Amino acid sequence: DIQMTQSPSSLSASVGDRVTITCRAGQSISTYLNWYQQTPGKAPKLLIFAASRLQSEVPSRFSGSGSGTDFTLTISSLQPEDFATYYCQQSYSTPYTFGLGTRLEIK
Amino acid sequence: QVQLVQFGAGVKKPGASVKVSCKASGYTFSNYEINWVRQATGQGLEWMGWVSPHSGNTAYAQKFQGRVTITRNTSTSTAYMELSGLRSDDTAVYYCARATYYGSATYYFDYWGQGTLVTVSS
Repeated sequence: DIQMTQSPSSLSASVGDRVTITCRAGQSISTYLNWYQQTPGKAPKLLIFAASRLQSEVPSRFSGSGSGTDFTLTISSLQPEDFATYYCQQSYSTPYTFGLGTRLEIK
Repeated sequence: QVQLVQFGAGVKKPGASVKVSCKASGYTFSNYEINWVRQATGQGLEWMGWVSPHSGNTAYAQKFQGRVTITRNTSTSTAYMELSGLRSDDTAVYYCARATYYGSATYYFDYWGQGTLVTVSS
């Protein structure tokens, strides 16, 4: 199984801040990397696919980068609705593993 | 609009089975694989397996091999996930998710069901 390691596990930030979340794969996964956002009691929502492609209707303040083993999700200017948990996921090979999540909290 | 609506929550006794359904609408059901992902309370996301509505082919995570069966009914645009031999640590919210390929660059879950809580308790 491909292990996905996210950091940090939690993060406190303020509205307007720029934040970056990192995700490292246990082996090279090319760009088979997706990012999801989840708020309490809701299903995950796709933000970024193929490491850097913005899903339709997702605000442009979200961006992704990376390939191989190292990836980042950046939120350029935090908005109140962005406080949530973020997960990376590899779809290079089954089982399609997720990172443990990064909980983004209001400072 | 694309929707995945799940049914089949509930409380089950240890050793029992549960079958959760996922009814798709707003797109051609046969064209997209359906995946199942679960999430224990306060925990992360765990992929369980997928079914191809077109062929009926399936793939399962090794962890669930022998206990999980994912099927589909193309006439009703519904996918099913059945988990047997339930244990307390199977207590979780179970999600279905539609999967889309982006060329050869990735495979991602673009629409999700609302989730179904399965509680395993005696």
